[in-house]
Amino acid sequence: EAQVTQNPRYLITVTGKKLTVTCSQNMNHEYMSWYRQDPGLGLRQIYYSMNVEVTDKGDVPEGYKVSRKEKRNFPLILESPSPNQTSLYFCASRDNLNTEAFFGQGTRLTVV
Amino acid sequence: GQQLNQSPQSMFIQEGEDVSMNCTSSSIFNTWLWYKQDPGEGPVLLIALYKAGELTSNGRLTAQFGITRKDSFLNISASIPSDVGIYFCAGSPFSNNAGNMLTFGGGTRLMVKP
Repeated sequence: EAQVTQNPRYLITVTGKKLTVTCSQNMNHEYMSWYRQDPGLGLRQIYYSMNVEVTDKGDVPEGYKVSRKEKRNFPLILESPSPNQTSLYFCASRDNLNTEAFFGQGTRLTVV
Repeated sequence: GQQLNQSPQSMFIQEGEDVSMNCTSSSIFNTWLWYKQDPGEGPVLLIALYKAGELTSNGRLTAQFGITRKDSFLNISASIPSDVGIYFCAGSPFSNNAGNMLTFGGGTRLMVKP
């Protein structure tokens, strides 16, 4: 089954403790992206990647890092999480021929 | 980044009623997409529009790509309880997916009273 898989689905952590949210897709898509969803703001793009070893900042990249060492994986790294990074995070992927993005099920992060 | 204004922010309707929501942009988009997000899930694509003036249906859903390329509409006819969720518009200035990914509207939360 074609899918985008994020882990964990839920995470509660403390300020300053480094964390990684993993994302994996099995569709051989070139493009992958991370969004955060906040009430009334829709989905805002954090980082995106157009292929292996090619990443770029989205609209709200501050406080986040990503890497794309393999085509299927695109982890989101928070080196020193802060409470304003409490949000619902989505990973998405698409191929280079179509606009439609496929989304993971989301990771709800709470930073206390 | 680019901004999409989506309205209304929320709707509370009676089962069987028709629903209409829209998105507007300050700049031209060449692709408009409509997604639905069920509680606890990621957004799922409903309809994709690639041509100005295009009108596309998916069951009880109909979406239109505005002729100015700066807006899009989604209509749901004869709503049912499972239509509950958050609906997002999304746009891209690119028609062949070169470059960056999508810009999203703020979402319309739909609630349906049986």
